[in-house]
Formats: sequence, C-alpha cells, structure tokens
Amino acid sequence: EVQLVESGGGLVQPGGSLRLSCAASGFTFSSYDMHWVRQATGKGLEWVSAIGTAGDTYYPGSVKGRFTISRENAKNSLYLQMNSLRAGDTAVYYCARDASMGEYFDLWGRGTLVTVSS
Amino acid sequence: QSALTQPASVSGSPGQSITISCTGTSSDVGSYNLVSWYQQHPGKAPKLMIYEGSKRPSGVSNRFSGSKSGNTASLTISGLQAEDEADYYCCSYAGSSTLRVFGGGTKLTVL
Repeated sequence: EVQLVESGGGLVQPGGSLRLSCAASGFTFSSYDMHWVRQATGKGLEWVSAIGTAGDTYYPGSVKGRFTISRENAKNSLYLQMNSLRAGDTAVYYCARDASMGEYFDLWGRGTLVTVSS
Repeated sequence: QSALTQPASVSGSPGQSITISCTGTSSDVGSYNLVSWYQQHPGKAPKLMIYEGSKRPSGVSNRFSGSKSGNTASLTISGLQAEDEADYYCCSYAGSSTLRVFGGGTKLTVL
C-alpha cells in the first residue's frame, strides 16, 4: 500500500528540540521530492520545509535556521529536526509527497501532533 | 511570503454550485499555472482535488473544477452534496526558494 506514516510528535518545552520521522512505503521513495506541512489547531495549512531527490533543502522564513529536513533513502524515511521550539510551532505536522511531474502534493500522511508548552 | 487570500466561509444548498476564490500575487498565482486545491474533513489529512489549476486527479468527481484569471484562482463545486462539506485550501508554487504558499482555507457548509 502506498502510504506515509509520521511519528515522533509529543510534548516539548519551549526552547526544546524534537525529531519527527516519516516512513514511506509502496513507492520508490528516492524518486520523489518530499515536504513537511503543519497545521495549528483550528488554523490553516502552512508549508514548513522541502527536500529534493538530490538532497537540496528549502524552508520558509518562519522556521529557517531552526528546522532541518533530511532524508535517508535506504530506510525510505524523511525527517524533520526541530530546534529552539516555540509555542507557535504547536501543530499537527504532515509529511507530504510531491507529484513526480508537478508542483503539488499527491500523497499525505495522517500527521503527528507537536505541542510546545511548559 | 504572505498566505494566499481565501474567503473564510462559503455555503450552498444541495444541488447548487459554489465558487471559492484564492487570490495571490504576481510572484505566485499570477506567475505560474501551478495552483492546487485540497479538501480536508475534520480530523483527516488533506486530499488533492485539483492540480495545475484545472486538472482533476483520478477518482475525483467531475463536479470539481478549477480555473485562474490573473492573480486569482478559483475552485467551483457543482451539484453540491452533503459530503462536500469540508475545509478547502488552495496552494501555489511560489518560486525556487519559497516553493509553496497556502491559502488560509475556506469552510464550506452545505445547508
């Protein structure tokens, strides 16, 4: 089955760190650009980061310098290292696959909840 | 990069048609025909409904259609059904550094 499964969410104190993982299955993971998208409770979707098949990385200003996206193709896994976490980073974090021939998300995971609170 | 602008809510009766707008800038929506639309039911992951402005993925009803004019993209849902009640998000490619920008989302209520 083609799917993405996120893990690693939880409660962390402000200023702390957390590493999210996304396990891919059912497709050739190494052939796809991958993204993280987050959604605060009751709020909209926000693009968080992307990594290309060659390992090139991209971030919006809101997380640049604090978050690091990476991938391990041998393990069909995507990661998001989040440092210096703030209350505003509290959200469900989704792993999403970029379409092979387009700039859109054609596969999403179910998400993992990150709560930043003291 | 600012979020794309969508109406907070729209509503319609079963069988009617509704249109959700998504306004960006010449740096995103206006520069690329790369707007996608996602449907999200409560507690669920988003689902792709339209890509590249007007294309429908396999399995998506032809009641869903997309278009673009200038810096504004639109999603039209015809023959509204109760199951269409959900949140809808637009997303645009925004260049080689920012990559993607989402709209704030629109809550569709089927009366």
